[in-house]
Amino acid sequence: QQQVKQSPQSLIVQKGGISIINCAYENTAFDYFPWYQQFPGKGPALLIAIRPDVSEKKEGRFTISFNKSAKQFSLHIMDSQPGDSATYFCAASSRGQNFVFGPGTRLSVLP
Amino acid sequence: KAGVTQTPRYLIKTRGQQVTLSCSPISGHRSVSWYQQTPGQGLQFLFEYFSETQRNKGNFPGRFSGRQFSNSRSEMNVSTLELGDSALYLCASSLGQLNQPQHFGDGTRLSIL
Repeated sequence: QQQVKQSPQSLIVQKGGISIINCAYENTAFDYFPWYQQFPGKGPALLIAIRPDVSEKKEGRFTISFNKSAKQFSLHIMDSQPGDSATYFCAASSRGQNFVFGPGTRLSVLP
Repeated sequence: KAGVTQTPRYLIKTRGQQVTLSCSPISGHRSVSWYQQTPGQGLQFLFEYFSETQRNKGNFPGRFSGRQFSNSRSEMNVSTLELGDSALYLCASSLGQLNQPQHFGDGTRLSIL
């Protein structure tokens, strides 16, 4: 119940395309859902986060869509660029509990 | 504002030795969490410290321990190192209220020979 499932494991997108990464959870107590971006040799960097009181949050080219009833949330990267090539992690947490991370999606954006 | 600083960046040890990793959080952040990252297991939570007290603990053996100092800096210790402890150890800090954004350092790459 503490798991966060993430798909796909890897993703290849053409420059200018839309990258979509999906996550699902079981624990209904989760109430904070961040996405992290990690480049090789670096730690994960907080990209965007959402709480369940909203269904969508947009920051620049990055959008989180949240479906509370389905217990799913997704990251959309619009106009994907080669510089977006990285590993993306979704995560979830609830008050008093540690963060649980998805297994990661390796995104490659082809020029 | 300086980010989370982890030292050292790389470390090579042999089986049976012990190691201490250090983490300096973002100024003003009072919570420090430690994670182990491996290709096979992903990001796994080790423990979290807040105001010098362990507030949360993951499912790791007692060989993994940590502490936090009054200035919020934290150390993680691993004793009797095993080959399977080879990993990237990440530290993340947050303001301290529960369920707040965590900001990661670049990690310490630990290799066990």
